[in-house]
Amino acid sequence: DSGVTQTPKHLITATGQRVTLRCSPRSGDLSVYWYQQSLDQGLQFLIQYYNGEERAKGNILERFSAQQFPDLHSELNLSSLELGDSALYFCASRNRVGYGYTFGSGTRLTVV
Amino acid sequence: AQKVTQAQTEISVVEKEDVTLDCVYETRDTTYYLFWYKQPPSGELVFLIRRNSFDEQNEISGRYSWNFQKSTSSFNFTITASQVVDSAVYFCALSEAQDGANNLFFGTGTRLTVIP
Repeated sequence: DSGVTQTPKHLITATGQRVTLRCSPRSGDLSVYWYQQSLDQGLQFLIQYYNGEERAKGNILERFSAQQFPDLHSELNLSSLELGDSALYFCASRNRVGYGYTFGSGTRLTVV
Repeated sequence: AQKVTQAQTEISVVEKEDVTLDCVYETRDTTYYLFWYKQPPSGELVFLIRRNSFDEQNEISGRYSWNFQKSTSSFNFTITASQVVDSAVYFCALSEAQDGANNLFFGTGTRLTVIP
């Protein structure tokens, strides 16, 4: 157990739907990162939050959004889903610059 | 712009052989951090090592060793006496200190298969 909890582990949904992925960071970690791992794009940074505020955006589609709540858990919302959104979505947390980023076990999203 | 290259897409070795996974990086930052992660078939990303740009000392952890050479911008990973449990995809990653997000830029990974 890495200390970073992601739910659900698996999600199957239809095109056009909306889903929410949840991440609880490791205790004491203020930064949360979201990554997408797809077969054709590899591991891509989506977005980062630090202590409730958005800190940076990567290759995140406009159909995707995220937020970090006062208890530091984060949610990634994916809407108007397309087949190409099928991927493994990882959340990671970190407490100090450059130190080990701890990843959750991921949410495998399948859009059918 | 930052970049991490793992030229070896797939490697197969027979159990007990040594294997080296290559990683070459590009960055303009003078302070940066390099990482290796392991992704076994179960899918999770497992942290293996972190190195900062000021520490070129090589590191050994059991059967794993890492060779960091700033002169060639490389951070190679060697597994000695490989085992079937080492079969996984291995990712090299870079984080720059000047990047406000300090997020990780990953290479495309090397799939290692250890044949019994």
